Amino acid sequence: EDKVVQSPLSLVVHEGDTVTLNCSYEVTNFRSLLWYKQEKKAPTFLFMLTSSGIEKKSGRLSSILDKKELFSILNITATQTGDSAVYLCAGAGSYQLTFGKGTKLSVIP
Amino acid sequence: GAGVSQSPSNKVTEKGKDVELRCDPISGHTALYWYRQSLGQGLEFLIYFQGNSAPDKSGLPSDRFSAERTGGSVSTLTIQRTQQEDSAVYLCASSLAGTLETSQYFGPGTRLTVL
Repeated sequence: EDKVVQSPLSLVVHEGDTVTLNCSYEVTNFRSLLWYKQEKKAPTFLFMLTSSGIEKKSGRLSSILDKKELFSILNITATQTGDSAVYLCAGAGSYQLTFGKGTKLSVIP
Repeated sequence: GAGVSQSPSNKVTEKGKDVELRCDPISGHTALYWYRQSLGQGLEFLIYFQGNSAPDKSGLPSDRFSAERTGGSVSTLTIQRTQQEDSAVYLCASSLAGTLETSQYFGPGTRLTVL
């Protein structure tokens, strides 16, 4: 059975801190790893990673995939209160996406 | 044009009744996805459509669940003989390309409560 595990489950940091969110996966016929940010109901897409070792960046967010060790990390530098959300990662197989339970990030002023 | 829309936004039903949830994807998006998110749980992938066909229906929780898509656009998720454990937010997403590895745009969800 496919499995995606995220850690930590929750994290509280102060504004300006840097955080690293972890995602490990076991996905049959793995194709890609996706990260989402969920603030209220609908998740918003952050990154899709298909190749090992190539960092994707968007502003203060970056992510990298290690297909040998089967994990990905999401880094957020200089955190802001607007970064508070649940961050989800998902492994894409042939016809299924398997999501982790998410990491709840709280950024306090 | 507009984003993904879902209706109804909230649905309260009695155990044993059938419900139908609707998703209107972004115009031109070929792929459409259904997810379920129960309280305190992560997203559970249910099914996805490439055009009008679903390559794999094994993610549907039980045979009470069915989904269809017609005309490559609107999709409906039907739950027959609802049970209390079906209570969740049902999210729909669409994407431009027909594979799982593309950025998906999510609708606002339908909150289903089964009494």
